[in-house]
Amino acid sequence: GESVGLHLPTLSVQEGDNSIINCAYSNSASDYFIWYKQESGKGPQFIIDIRSNMDKRQGQRVTVLLNKTVKHLSLQIAATQPGDSAVYFCAESRSKLIFGAGTRLAVHP
Amino acid sequence: KAGVTQTPRYLIKTRGQQVTLSCSPISGHRSVSWYQQTPGQGLQFLFEYFSETQRNKGNFPGRFSGRQFSNSRSEMNVSTLELGDSALYLCASSPGTSGSADTQYFGPGTRLTVL
Repeated sequence: GESVGLHLPTLSVQEGDNSIINCAYSNSASDYFIWYKQESGKGPQFIIDIRSNMDKRQGQRVTVLLNKTVKHLSLQIAATQPGDSAVYFCAESRSKLIFGAGTRLAVHP
Repeated sequence: KAGVTQTPRYLIKTRGQQVTLSCSPISGHRSVSWYQQTPGQGLQFLFEYFSETQRNKGNFPGRFSGRQFSNSRSEMNVSTLELGDSALYLCASSPGTSGSADTQYFGPGTRLTVL
């Protein structure tokens, strides 16, 4: 069936380190992908997006990489901070958002 | 711009009752989508409304319904509540004009507990 999945359910990093969260998607026809961050008690917050005609996009401290050959997305967070602790979802947009299971990022001081 | 707002934030109901949740999109956004979030199933798409018409629908039973008003505000209704309907219900709005490339922005959600 349709799916967007994540390789690592939990990721623990030290404050100041870089974090990498990975995601696999199933539909090679998908042309738009989004990363969301969800903190406890809140709705998902848009972080960064990428279209299929790109393989890399950078934001403030975040970078998304897209590898269409293996249908893989990754979110890189530079100099991870305690405020980055949250659950991160990748989503594939095909007239609706198809979400992965989520990865919990825990940042330790 | 104000973000997506949802009311109420918390709701407790008993089995068999019905419930109506409300969502106000970002000003200027014409598309409203609803999602259900549970620990077991994750985030699942319920339906999308655009210009007062349901444009897309997920795989949920007919007990789940929605509507959109002329000001783009949306409501969703769940009838004959079941214990398994306990979830966080999220509303997301987008301009609605860019097809699959429309970025959706989420509200804080309504936490529904069915006893």
